[in-house]
Amino acid sequence: DAKTTQPPSMDCAEGRAANLPCNHSTISGNEYVYWYRQIHSQGPQYIIHGLKNNETNEMASLIITEDRKSSTLILPHATLRDTAVYYCIVRVPMNTGFQKLVFGTGTRLLVSP
Amino acid sequence: SQTIHQWPATLVQPVGSPLSLECTVEGTSNPNLYWYRQAAGRGLQLLFYSIGIDQISSEVPQNLSASRPQDRQFILSSKKLLLSDSGFYLCAWSVLGGGYEQYFGPGTRLTVT
Repeated sequence: DAKTTQPPSMDCAEGRAANLPCNHSTISGNEYVYWYRQIHSQGPQYIIHGLKNNETNEMASLIITEDRKSSTLILPHATLRDTAVYYCIVRVPMNTGFQKLVFGTGTRLLVSP
Repeated sequence: SQTIHQWPATLVQPVGSPLSLECTVEGTSNPNLYWYRQAAGRGLQLLFYSIGIDQISSEVPQNLSASRPQDRQFILSSKKLLLSDSGFYLCAWSVLGGGYEQYFGPGTRLTVT
């Protein structure tokens, strides 16, 4: 029941910007968009999240469209260590009042020399 | 700083045998705790979450159970493993009542033979 759609794979040259798209056309007004990544055989790592405005931290930038139906994660200067599966996630409310993160299958980013 | 531990790192168990996976968190109090499973080539599936000692909710009916005997200890168990229980098991924590960033442990790779 993932609420996001991502391309299954992308390639990027080392040193270039990696732009990872995500569609979340059914997102509600108060739902945040989260990005995580998972390097092979490790636990997922939180990258960034946002609601409406664009966000930037030391790892990446998050660009959210004005209608909030899609977003793009930008790794400004990809390195080989950025090779991972990137998950775009929308929080899903549960009937207990708790909210959960629903992980889809993500985008496998391969950064090449 | 906060640290999350999981053990064992890998486990091979025969069908019908019991299971106990342990997760502990250091450096924080009253965390939300989570158990996820990731089957080969799939996204993460939330199995259980807990907002406090002995307060555990199950997301998916199955032959697994979870317990939280102490504030920062979360245990995943089974009385009789099935082949379909094979996968990568991840424990995660988040700040109770705060942001929804989840921090994942290193995971346990379980193979049921």
